[in-house]
Amino acid sequence: QKEVEQNSGPLSVPEGAIASLNCTYSDRGSQSFFWYRQYSGKSPELIMFIYSNGDKEDGRFTAQLNKASQYVSLLIRDSQPSDSATYLCAVAEEDDKIIFGKGTRLHILP
Amino acid sequence: EPEVTQTPSHQVTQMGQEVILRCVPISNHLYFYWYRQILGQKVEFLVSFYNNEISEKSEIFDDQFSVERPDGSNFTLKIRSTKLEDSAMYFCASSETVEAEAFFGQGTRLTVV
Repeated sequence: QKEVEQNSGPLSVPEGAIASLNCTYSDRGSQSFFWYRQYSGKSPELIMFIYSNGDKEDGRFTAQLNKASQYVSLLIRDSQPSDSATYLCAVAEEDDKIIFGKGTRLHILP
Repeated sequence: EPEVTQTPSHQVTQMGQEVILRCVPISNHLYFYWYRQILGQKVEFLVSFYNNEISEKSEIFDDQFSVERPDGSNFTLKIRSTKLEDSAMYFCASSETVEAEAFFGQGTRLTVV
């Protein structure tokens, strides 16, 4: 059974600090990795995607991928209260499906 | 900005009834997906669809479920005989390629009573 694992949290981070979200995956053949943000009762919203080892930055967000360790992370700099949400790690597997982790609840403390 | 649209936003149905959930994927996308999220739980993969056929399905997607692309724009999920445990938020998604990011619709909240 291929898995995407995340710590469910909640992760509490002071406003203005860096939030660090982590994810591991089991399918070594996975090539594409995504971070989605989901507010309560809403649909997942794409935040970042990453295909290559290393870091990818977009504004306050940085995605990090280490395929050897099967590990992907998301850093949120200068955390804002509006960043409070559940963050879903998703992995595109070789067999035409995208698998989601259970999500990490992030709470930014004002 | 192109988006995935789903209708209805909320569907209430009696147990044993058939429901059809509708989706219009982004027009140049080739891969379509249905996901389910039971309240408070993870987003679960149901099925992927490419080139007018199912390319992958999960163990959740049993004989009660079917998908169809009846025309060039719509993508539907049918549940033949709904059960109480089918109550969930159903999300449609689409992507340009199998490796590309998937964009989600706003979801249909299905309530089976």
